[in-house]
Amino acid sequence: QQQVKQSPQSLIVQKGGISIINCAYENTAFDYFPWYQQFPGKGPALLIAIRPDVSEKKEGRFTISFNKSAKQFSLHIMDSQPGDSATYFCAARGSARQLTFGSGTQLTVLP
Amino acid sequence: DTAVSQTPKYLVTQMGNDKSIKCEQNLGHDTMYWYKQDSKKFLKIMFSYNNKELIINETVPNRFSPKSPDKAHLNLHINSLELGDSAVYFCASSRGLSGSYNEQFFGPGTRLTVL
Repeated sequence: QQQVKQSPQSLIVQKGGISIINCAYENTAFDYFPWYQQFPGKGPALLIAIRPDVSEKKEGRFTISFNKSAKQFSLHIMDSQPGDSATYFCAARGSARQLTFGSGTQLTVLP
Repeated sequence: DTAVSQTPKYLVTQMGNDKSIKCEQNLGHDTMYWYKQDSKKFLKIMFSYNNKELIINETVPNRFSPKSPDKAHLNLHINSLELGDSAVYFCASSRGLSGSYNEQFFGPGTRLTVL
């Protein structure tokens, strides 16, 4: 049973455009929602994270929007760059502090 | 200077063999993890150790056995390898179970191919 659903599976955006990746969760006990970025051949790396008592968090070109009532959160990448091309994973932290990951989104930013 | 390191990076072996993957972190973290990433890039936690004690053991076949000799190391031993074990295995570590953000730092991964 997948507790964190992520969409789209793949996304192609022009340079300078906005990339939007969405996630939805079921478990209301989740208390921390990070986004990880993974380049080919590398391990995932934390990009940005949010707690459920905050509706939005922005770090540079990356913004998380969080809707607690809808149990949804999304990553927005403004002014997308070819260097942003990677796989993005949303995740949620539950009991015992383990992370449950979404299925990943392959982002391609065209030059 | 690598925060979380794994060896080997690539592992090719025959079905039925036993193999080990080693993980070391130099961040002074108390908690370490093993994840499996399948061919569709789906990441799933396998084990979590906090201060050398097993905290999480997801539904993983008992052919997989983690060993933590000390807080800085978490090794993964796999017995009787099967074709379905082919995947990328990631080690990760975090400061601990408590704390607001508890960022997990991932190693570079070990690509296991079972022939």
